[in-house]
Amino acid sequence: GAGVSQSPRYKVAKRGQDVALRCDPISGHVSLFWYQQALGQGPEFLTYFQNEAQLDKSGLPSDRFFAERPEGSVSTLKIQRTQQEDSAVYLCASSLGASGESYEQYFGPGTRLTVT
Amino acid sequence: KNEVEQSPQNLTAQEGEFITINCSYSVGISALHWLQQHPGGGIVSLFMLSSGKKKHGRLIATINIQEKHSSLHITASHPRDSAVYICAVRIVMYSGGGADGLTFGKGTHLIIQP
Repeated sequence: GAGVSQSPRYKVAKRGQDVALRCDPISGHVSLFWYQQALGQGPEFLTYFQNEAQLDKSGLPSDRFFAERPEGSVSTLKIQRTQQEDSAVYLCASSLGASGESYEQYFGPGTRLTVT
Repeated sequence: KNEVEQSPQNLTAQEGEFITINCSYSVGISALHWLQQHPGGGIVSLFMLSSGKKKHGRLIATINIQEKHSSLHITASHPRDSAVYICAVRIVMYSGGGADGLTFGKGTHLIIQP
């Protein structure tokens, strides 16, 4: 069956460019998470959506990062004026239930962003 | 200090060996996840635990809530088990609910040689 998909898989941006990363969660999944994984590190939480509502954006590193999920399905993570320290793999995950309960999270393949 | 610590960071073993990867955490949690990540690949969920022990094929995961410790065991290891194994927890917030996202360890890089 269809899992979580992300696009593009790889993105090279010049410093200062804006980028948009897309996540298609599993159909019907209520929760959607974005994580950032630097090289050699574990992922770190960025933001969480319950349906279309962004309930937690405490992990977004700066106001250059913006995420949306307008119809409660597809989500886009946008990074404005990219910096070299933004280079990382951006992972999207979805789960069936709301964050208030512990559900298994299903991860996408990630988008590897390289800022030159 | 990280809230989730894994050991060892790197592990190389021979095919057939019994493998143990450890995870300790310093906060209250509602669930602990073991995840597998292949190079260049996405993350696959292996187990979600809140107590006791789970088994799936050659993989066994245990958790001791009182000691804030979990282990992932691989029996009869095989080269295809080579991957990064990541422990992640869902932290219980002061409000009593769980955190929205997972908090991850840095991972254990496992190599199984034929």
